[in-house]
Amino acid sequence: AQSVTQPDIHITVSEGASLELRCNYSYGATPYLFWYVQSPGQGLQLLLKYFSGDTLVQGIKGFEAEFKRSQSSFNLRKPSVHWSDAAEYFCAALDYGQNFVFGPGTRLSVLP
Amino acid sequence: DAGVIQSPRHEVTEMGQEVTLRCKPISGHNSLFWYRQTMMRGLELLIYFNNNVPIDDSGMPEDRFSAKMPNASFSTLKIQPSEPRDSAVYFCASSGGVEKLFFGSGTQLSVL
Repeated sequence: AQSVTQPDIHITVSEGASLELRCNYSYGATPYLFWYVQSPGQGLQLLLKYFSGDTLVQGIKGFEAEFKRSQSSFNLRKPSVHWSDAAEYFCAALDYGQNFVFGPGTRLSVLP
Repeated sequence: DAGVIQSPRHEVTEMGQEVTLRCKPISGHNSLFWYRQTMMRGLELLIYFNNNVPIDDSGMPEDRFSAKMPNASFSTLKIQPSEPRDSAVYFCASSGGVEKLFFGSGTQLSVL
């Protein structure tokens, strides 16, 4: 079955440290891939997306993600985390049925 | 565009009562999704529509849940009768195709 997994339920980093959130997908072919962020009490906001082409994609708020076909991964990175980045992060894939499938989410905490 | 509009923002009701959640997608979008978010189960797809037609309702928990999309600009999610375990945040989202998903702000439902 098509699925998106995020191995880390909760990650804590210090402000200014680098960040990597993991995402793996299980699809027959490369789906379209997305990262969303959800702040407390808010809906989900798109950070970035990958459809094809350059495997390193840039998003908003200084985030980037790298698509690696060999590892079926689409990990999210940020070189220096800010306290305002504390939120829940969701990886998602769009399959050919036009159905968005979300991973379980990774909660990011940022220490001052 | 005002984005995806959901109402009400908060709903508190008693067990056994009927609850109706409403959604107005972004104009021109042809796909609409209903998600439920809880701490225990994360973000779950309940049902999605394409061109007002339900495509996949396998995520609808049980017969107490029903969703309709009478036209391209309006959808409802109804729970009848409601139960305490239905307490969650319900999100509506719309998409214009192979692109990002736009989320509403959600409806916080509490069933006492």
